[in-house]
Amino acid sequence: GNSVTQMEGPVTLSEEAFLTINCTYTATGYPSLFWYVQYPGEGLQLLLKATKADDKGSNKGFEATYRKETTSFHLEKGSVQVSDSAVYFCALSDSRRALTFGSGTRLQVQP
Amino acid sequence: DADVTQTPRNRITKTGKRIMLECSQTKGHDRMYWYRQDPGLGLQLIYYSFDVKDINKGEISDGYSVSRQAQAKFSLSLESAIPNQTALYFCATSEPGAEQFFGPGTRLTVL
Repeated sequence: GNSVTQMEGPVTLSEEAFLTINCTYTATGYPSLFWYVQYPGEGLQLLLKATKADDKGSNKGFEATYRKETTSFHLEKGSVQVSDSAVYFCALSDSRRALTFGSGTRLQVQP
Repeated sequence: DADVTQTPRNRITKTGKRIMLECSQTKGHDRMYWYRQDPGLGLQLIYYSFDVKDINKGEISDGYSVSRQAQAKFSLSLESAIPNQTALYFCATSEPGAEQFFGPGTRLTVL
């Protein structure tokens, strides 16, 4: 079956540092890949997505590239802000199933 | 108005009580989902519905049941609540293979 593996957190960075959160997946076929963000006390919001190999999703300074050869979808941001502190979830979907989520990575950005 | 709404937002109940959580959506999506989130963990799929007549069990369906009353409404029931069902519950909707849109969540406490 499908599975998603994320790096464990928490990840603690200083403001303006570079962020990478690793995500790898196992799936049959050609899934779509997503990053969701959950701010404290809120539900999940879609951050970015990619629907086919080599696609790059981007939003709010975050980027992730769909790498089929390494089955990865790592999240990056060049300069994090305190307001980016949240839990980030990697997920995949194919048309036959619901989303499969990773366990989430908590990011803490310090001023 | 929010596209995906959940009621109630918070609920405290006692062991053995029957509880219903409701979800409504105005996005016109056929697919709806119920997830559970425990502290520090990712989301686990309870049930999902690809249309009004198609309901499927997820990873952790034991102790839960659902009803898809209409395209826009998907309810989750706990027939006899127990303390380890204390969690955050999220409803979501989507088109096939596309991103999911989440409700704000229901915080359920079972004493």
